[in-house]
Amino acid sequence: DAGVIQSPRHEVTEMGQEVTLRCKPISGHDYLFWYRQTMMRGLELLIYFNNNVPIDDSGMPEDRFSAKMPNASFSTLKIQPSEPRDSAVYFCASSFSKGQPQHFGDGTRLSIL
Amino acid sequence: KQEVTQIPAALSVPEGENLVLNCSFTDSAIYNLQWFRQDPGKGLTSLLLIQSSQREQTSGRLNASLDKSSGRSTLYIAASQPGDSATYLCAVSMANQAGTALIFGKGTTLSVSS
Repeated sequence: DAGVIQSPRHEVTEMGQEVTLRCKPISGHDYLFWYRQTMMRGLELLIYFNNNVPIDDSGMPEDRFSAKMPNASFSTLKIQPSEPRDSAVYFCASSFSKGQPQHFGDGTRLSIL
Repeated sequence: KQEVTQIPAALSVPEGENLVLNCSFTDSAIYNLQWFRQDPGKGLTSLLLIQSSQREQTSGRLNASLDKSSGRSTLYIAASQPGDSATYLCAVSMANQAGTALIFGKGTTLSVSS
């Protein structure tokens, strides 16, 4: 079975550039989550979707961050413009329903120079 | 605001030892609690999920307990092996969010030497 697939695995870009991270959840999962992991703050929820609809985006740090889920098999997290403090590992996760185990992708390691 | 704490931050043990990892949370109104494993450069792998009404869950050499009223969970690993070396993360979901978003501790990094 294919797990959660994220791309790219690594991204290095210069400050001010637009960054787009992609996620394909596990087929049949109704919930999709975006998390960010840093050494200082650990893992934090950014936003989550239920049936492609954003439910809670209170963790999105600023207006520079946006997320979409145009269909059940694809989601994007966009940062525009990017800043060095956005450097982190970004994880996507999906779950079959609420309260069920979340399955994580391998993450995108983002470095903003 | 829910806070999840894991102690110790790092642990080194020789192969074969039984060990306990600790997790505490400040708000007992949780929906469930999950333990994850994270290998370097990888995502998280779900190990055990305990519903708020349960006291423990077991999978192979792993046993997780939950004491919701005291805000504590433990992950017991029996007969540790070098392959158990990883970072172990505890996370809770809140009842008022119907068990959706996870709030994580910062993890315990375990090193098992052969």
